[in-house]
Amino acid sequence: AQSVTQLGSHVSVSEGALVLLRCNYSSSVPPYLFWYVQYPNQGLQLLLKYTSAATLVKGINGFEAEFKKSETSFHLTKPSAHMSDAAEYFCAVRTFNKFYFGSGTKLNVKP
Amino acid sequence: DVKVTQSSRYLVKRTGEKVFLECVQDMDHENMFWYRQDPGLGLRLIYFSYDVKMKEKGDIPEGYSVSREKKERFSLILESASTNQTSMYLCASSSTGTANSPLHFGNGTRLTVT
Repeated sequence: AQSVTQLGSHVSVSEGALVLLRCNYSSSVPPYLFWYVQYPNQGLQLLLKYTSAATLVKGINGFEAEFKKSETSFHLTKPSAHMSDAAEYFCAVRTFNKFYFGSGTKLNVKP
Repeated sequence: DVKVTQSSRYLVKRTGEKVFLECVQDMDHENMFWYRQDPGLGLRLIYFSYDVKMKEKGDIPEGYSVSREKKERFSLILESASTNQTSMYLCASSSTGTANSPLHFGNGTRLTVT
């Protein structure tokens, strides 16, 4: 079975600072990787997905993620945090038709 | 854009009631899923369906059943609601067509069982 590990259930950054949310996966086959964001009392919204065309993937709201096969990682970054980025972020892996999610990281942005 | 619509945002039901949560998607997706989300436990898969009238158990199917009579609709049924089923329920759909097709989620139904 696949597993997805998100290090840090809570991350706090100051507005304007770099955001780094970590995701590691276990996969014996080429992975299909995704990042989702969830705002309070809403469903999950797709931020970005890995397509194998490039190791650096750009998503919405200025987020990007870098696929590193040697490290089995797909960390999410944003150069400058904004207050509106405060939310919970989930990393996911798709294998065939099933999706496996990390436990989520809540991002707090301080003014 | 894919739209996944859950019929209720908030529901309050009594213990022992039969509860129906409805989900409709408008993109002709083959796959549909029901998850529940609880603080500290992340997303847990209850049931999923790859096609009409087909269903498979996820990680926590006990106390739930599902129905998929039409491709666009996937219903979650709580046969006899209990307080430990108070949770946020998320419906999602995806296409089988390409391997990296994402899951598309509805806005969720927050169910309270009293």
